[in-house]
Amino acid sequence: GEDVEQSLFLSVREGDSSVINCTYTDSSSTYLYWYKQEPGAGLQLLTYIFSNMDMKQDQRLTVLLNKKDKHLSLRIADTQTGDSAIYFCAEILYSSASKIIFGSGTRLSIRP
Amino acid sequence: DGGITQSPKYLFRKEGQNVTLSCEQNLNHDAMYWYRQDPGQGLRLIYYSQIVNDFQKGDIAEGYSVSREKKESFPLTVTSAQKNPTAFYLCASSPIPDRTSGKRGEQYFGPGTRLTVT
Repeated sequence: GEDVEQSLFLSVREGDSSVINCTYTDSSSTYLYWYKQEPGAGLQLLTYIFSNMDMKQDQRLTVLLNKKDKHLSLRIADTQTGDSAIYFCAEILYSSASKIIFGSGTRLSIRP
Repeated sequence: DGGITQSPKYLFRKEGQNVTLSCEQNLNHDAMYWYRQDPGQGLRLIYYSQIVNDFQKGDIAEGYSVSREKKESFPLTVTSAQKNPTAFYLCASSPIPDRTSGKRGEQYFGPGTRLTVT
């Protein structure tokens, strides 16, 4: 089946790390993505990971991939108020009509 | 600057009127997409196109129509048949995903159009 699942909400204290989780179902997908959506705006591609990798780090962002459990996570170090947004996990399905499947998004809120 | 533009940012219409949302890209992407986003919800695919003069229905195509006469443009018409048209509409474009060539096919999004129908 084609499904990407995320928890709906996450609240963290400013300065702490945020970990946003995602599970996917298609074992043949080769790329997984994280997007960020600020209020009233479009989605911004944050990072991606290839399925032969376990981890990818980009400044404050760390992506971890557990292929056995089909689990993807995004860790944001030193979370700041500007990180408040909705974060979408997505996977690409290669087929005759390749497409990207998006999760429902996790709303990250930052408390002082 | 390369990117995707959507206009207008806010659109108001009376019930029963058709309305067309604009989407233009200069990224030379072959594929373009329209999504609908309702408050507190994720993205739902309306239509997509991988080549000029061809497009396919997504998950919620009823009440919508599109055209793809040029590679750069993919306008969406919200018709009076769409029962709940008030929503945030997002356009995206991407290269065609291709496993053998390694094309990732990640989508790039426009800023969105918020449509309110009363």
